[in-house]
Amino acid sequence: DAMVIQNPRYQVTQFGKPVTLSCSQTLNHNVMYWYQQKSSQAPKLLFHYYDKDFNNEADTPDNFQSRRPNTSFCFLDIRSPGLGDAAMYLCATSRDVTAQYNEQFFGPGTRLTVL
Amino acid sequence: AQSVAQPEDQVNVAEGNPLTVKCTYSVSGNPYLFWYVQYPNRGLQFLLKYITGDNLVKGSYGFEAEFNKSQTSFHLKKPSALVSDSALYFCAVRGPFYNQGGKLIFGQGTELSVKP
Repeated sequence: DAMVIQNPRYQVTQFGKPVTLSCSQTLNHNVMYWYQQKSSQAPKLLFHYYDKDFNNEADTPDNFQSRRPNTSFCFLDIRSPGLGDAAMYLCATSRDVTAQYNEQFFGPGTRLTVL
Repeated sequence: AQSVAQPEDQVNVAEGNPLTVKCTYSVSGNPYLFWYVQYPNRGLQFLLKYITGDNLVKGSYGFEAEFNKSQTSFHLKKPSALVSDSALYFCAVRGPFYNQGGKLIFGQGTELSVKP
């Protein structure tokens, strides 16, 4: 089945220690998104890639970076995690950015704990 | 600016009864609206969307939603609730412009609890 895969599902890191979260997709979608979700709140978009074009949300801290080496993979790098970065990180994809194809498919998420 | 509001933090329903989860929206331009469901420690699952056409949209797992332009609402409904429908439900609206990458703006979520 085509899907969005996130690894690991649970990640524990230390305060200030860089961490990378991984997302892969078999849907061959053009757009990949990273969301941060804290304790059953609404997901908050951090950034997205439309093909190779990176689009950062205005309020995303510089501490968060992303890489998309190819269509299938996208990574979220947190350079110096703080306690406030503990959250569920959701990766999503969509076929395109037009409304007709904008339905987003989400991975299961990675729950990040910062000690 | 695009926004959605879910006025109820929690909805409680008895199994077998109809359920409604409310959503109102505010948009400039045409509204493109979505419903997602999230089970504990899981990602979001797409239920249905309204882009254009019939005001009654049918989706996954027996859910449907009614688009009402005059009331700027997009309420999620199901004729007969199941205990397994208990989850967190998010309404979302698409960002208006191409250069926003089709971002979704989510409501704050409504916790649905279906009791046997």
